[in-house]
Amino acid sequence: DIQMTQSPSSLSASVGDRVTITCQASQDISKFLNWYQHKPGKAPKLLIYDASHLEAGFPLRFSGSGSGTEFTFTISSLQPEDIATYYCLQYDNLPPTFGGGTKVEI
Amino acid sequence: EVQLVESGGGLVQPGKSLRLSCAASGFSINDYAMHWVRQVPGKGLEWVSGITWNSDKTLYADSVKGRFTISRDNAKNFLFLQMSSLRPEDTAFYFCTKGYCSSVTCYPDSWGKGILVTVSS
Repeated sequence: DIQMTQSPSSLSASVGDRVTITCQASQDISKFLNWYQHKPGKAPKLLIYDASHLEAGFPLRFSGSGSGTEFTFTISSLQPEDIATYYCLQYDNLPPTFGGGTKVEI
Repeated sequence: EVQLVESGGGLVQPGKSLRLSCAASGFSINDYAMHWVRQVPGKGLEWVSGITWNSDKTLYADSVKGRFTISRDNAKNFLFLQMSSLRPEDTAFYFCTKGYCSSVTCYPDSWGKGILVTVSS
């Protein structure tokens, strides 16, 4: 199985800060990586697909980049409503595997 | 609007069985692969099982292979997960998810809120 190493596991930032989360794959997964947002008690939401494509309905302060084994998720200006845990998911190889998650706090 | 609502969770003893259901609305599951993903409380997400649109292919995580069975009823718009020989380490929130296309390789794009399964004596 492909291992996804996500960092940091948690972070605390201020409103307006730029936040960056990384995911490293144990082998080349091309662009086949998604980012999900999960708020407590809610359904997780697909945020970024194919490494860099923003899902409809999400603001432009969210972005993703990378390919191969190194991927980055960025919130350009952190807002209070962005408090959540963010997960990467690789779907290049079965089984799909998630990163360990990053809990974002203010 | 896509909605996925899980049911059937609860407290169950080790070694027993439980069947989860997922009611889909707002779309026809007939066109999409479906998956189950779980989350141990306080831990990360783990993909559990997936099924193609027509049930011709099913896949399982090694941790549940031989004990869990995924199935679907396209006519009724339901997804199921039959869980047998349950272990304490199966305790988790179980999420029903919709694949973005019909193949089991299609990633989850919509999720339910999840349902808690607790395996304990």
